[in-house]
Amino acid sequence: GAGVSQTPSNKVTEKGKYVELRCDPISGHTALYWYRQSLGQGPEFLIYFQGTGAADDSGLPNDRFFAVRPEGSVSTLKIQRTERGDSAVYLCASSLSGGVTEAFFGQGTRLTVV
Amino acid sequence: AQRVTQPEKLLSVFKGAPVELKCNYSYSGSPELFWYVQYSRQRLQLLLRHISRESIKGFTADLNKGETSFHLKKPFAQEEDSAMYYCALSDQAGTALIFGKGTTLSVSS
Repeated sequence: GAGVSQTPSNKVTEKGKYVELRCDPISGHTALYWYRQSLGQGPEFLIYFQGTGAADDSGLPNDRFFAVRPEGSVSTLKIQRTERGDSAVYLCASSLSGGVTEAFFGQGTRLTVV
Repeated sequence: AQRVTQPEKLLSVFKGAPVELKCNYSYSGSPELFWYVQYSRQRLQLLLRHISRESIKGFTADLNKGETSFHLKKPFAQEEDSAMYYCALSDQAGTALIFGKGTTLSVSS
């Protein structure tokens, strides 16, 4: 693949439901980042993976949010008991070795909680 | 607290006019600052970083530590410069970016 791929591109869910957002990084990239961009805001950091482990999860807003990267490649962001305030574009980025400024961003998943 | 402020939501200029997108930051220590750009229907991408002191697509940005600013400038705007521009700061761990709210640049002929 040419770049970071995120699926689905759009997701509409009902309040209270569980959702999973997927990120396929560029092949060989060991670092992976999740950001959330609410309407009218810049992207906000959520979590950073180096390989399989979460090296920094300080941006996750609460325990309803969780992310995994079991094989050091694909990552899934999981949101439990979704709330309307979770509506945002969720961005994934990957980089070869960990420099966030060398990261390439995906197109994002637009999550709408109704 | 580390923070990036972009005071203008929208900046509209005519083609050929100079452009300055403002960015101020709050940071303790030596900051690393960047400008990102998102063209319509495209992905967020790095435009330039202060440590490189480079000019990309005619844009430059100078870090002014006294004024805690990192304004993005271009002497002659082009219509293809129309996009959303984000100023960003690298956190102390170097693992996350702190973004401003962004400024939409609209260049018309």
